[in-house]
Amino acid sequence: NAGVTQTPKFRILKIGQSMTLQCTQDMNHNYMYWYRQDPGMGLKLIYYSVGAGITDKGEVPNGYNVSRSTTEDFPLRLELAAPSQTSVYFCASRLRQGTNQPQHFGDGTRLSIL
Amino acid sequence: DQQVKQNSPSLSVQEGRISILNCDYTNSMFDYFLWYKKYPAEGPTFLISISSIKDKNEDGRFTVFLNKSAKHLSLHIVPSQPGDSAVYFCAASAYDFGNEKLTFGTGTRLTIIP
Repeated sequence: NAGVTQTPKFRILKIGQSMTLQCTQDMNHNYMYWYRQDPGMGLKLIYYSVGAGITDKGEVPNGYNVSRSTTEDFPLRLELAAPSQTSVYFCASRLRQGTNQPQHFGDGTRLSIL
Repeated sequence: DQQVKQNSPSLSVQEGRISILNCDYTNSMFDYFLWYKKYPAEGPTFLISISSIKDKNEDGRFTVFLNKSAKHLSLHIVPSQPGDSAVYFCAASAYDFGNEKLTFGTGTRLTIIP
């Protein structure tokens, strides 16, 4: 029962470095999402995907890139890390849209940019 | 522009009593609402949802009430148990060019006092 798995759990980056946050799900879900949660704030949507090969921007996409080459994986790329990207990042997935299809979340990646 | 608001950052309730968590929204286009529960170092987990055409949904100890005219929903937990201590997020769903997106509130930290 792995569900949604995110790696790494923690990471410290220097300004200007790049990294990829990994997300994989084993539920054969079509829809996948990346959110960030800043202290005292709600989750904000960065990017989402409705299936392999299809991605689109969410509310706060600047500074990030994504790809979806397989149903299982949805990595999030930071090309030039900035202090404003210090946050907790959550990946989520769901089989389809609709009332009875809640999103399933991973346990998050805590990222600090120094 | 915070479309989903949880105005109480924290709430303490005695074990066995009722916990009431509140959420207000501004967008009339939201078509259903969800509550997620989050423990430290874990991702949010789905708790309960309600469609905008209903005014109440119940699942065991958890009941969600929706007042559309007031654009207000609340989560009732009866009786409250120590394991209910967590952060609770209210979320609202709306379609944007055929894609369903969630807007999250900032969360309420519930502490159950034994």
